[in-house]
Amino acid sequence: GNSVTQMEGPVTLSEEAFLTINCTYTATGYPSLFWYVQYPGEGLQLLLKATKADDKGSNKGFEATYRKETTSFHLEKGSVQVSDSAVYFCALTGAAGNKLTFGGGTRVLVKP
Amino acid sequence: SAVISQKPSRDICQRGTSLTIQCQVDSQVTMMFWYRQQPGQSLTLIATANQGSEATYESGFVIDKFPISRPNLTFSTLTVSNMSPEDSSIYLCSVVVAGAQETQYFGPGTRLLVL
Repeated sequence: GNSVTQMEGPVTLSEEAFLTINCTYTATGYPSLFWYVQYPGEGLQLLLKATKADDKGSNKGFEATYRKETTSFHLEKGSVQVSDSAVYFCALTGAAGNKLTFGGGTRVLVKP
Repeated sequence: SAVISQKPSRDICQRGTSLTIQCQVDSQVTMMFWYRQQPGQSLTLIATANQGSEATYESGFVIDKFPISRPNLTFSTLTVSNMSPEDSSIYLCSVVVAGAQETQYFGPGTRLLVL
């Protein structure tokens, strides 16, 4: 079956630091890949997505590139802010349609 | 995207009782789902809410415990029945908007505490 593995948190860093959250996946066929963000006390927001190999998704300064050869979709941001403190989830939809498979989530804490 | 609302936003319930959670979307959607997020955990799909027919449940979830209705394209309810403290979670609905296939948008969630 499909699975998503992402680095465990918490990740603690200072404002303006570079952020990378690793995400790798196992899936049959050609999944679509997503990053969702959950701010404290809120639901999930779609951050970015990529639907085919070598696509780059980007939003709010975050980027992730769909790497089929390494089955990865790592999330990066060049300069984080305190407001980026949240839990980040990597996810995919596979051949079974729209069912999302989530990674375990990575908590990020940005300190001033 | 879509504007998704859930009611209630949070509740505290006694064990043995039931709670019905509503999910309303402001536009027509092709698919609706219900997820559970246990404390400090990731999301687990409970079921796909099918319009006008029985929901499709994932392994480990049954209709008697989590009955779901979807009477039309923009509204669904999830009931958590005969609750126990282990049901304390965030329950989220999500939708796939017509014309935006593959992408799910989530509601704000319902935070449930069972005492």
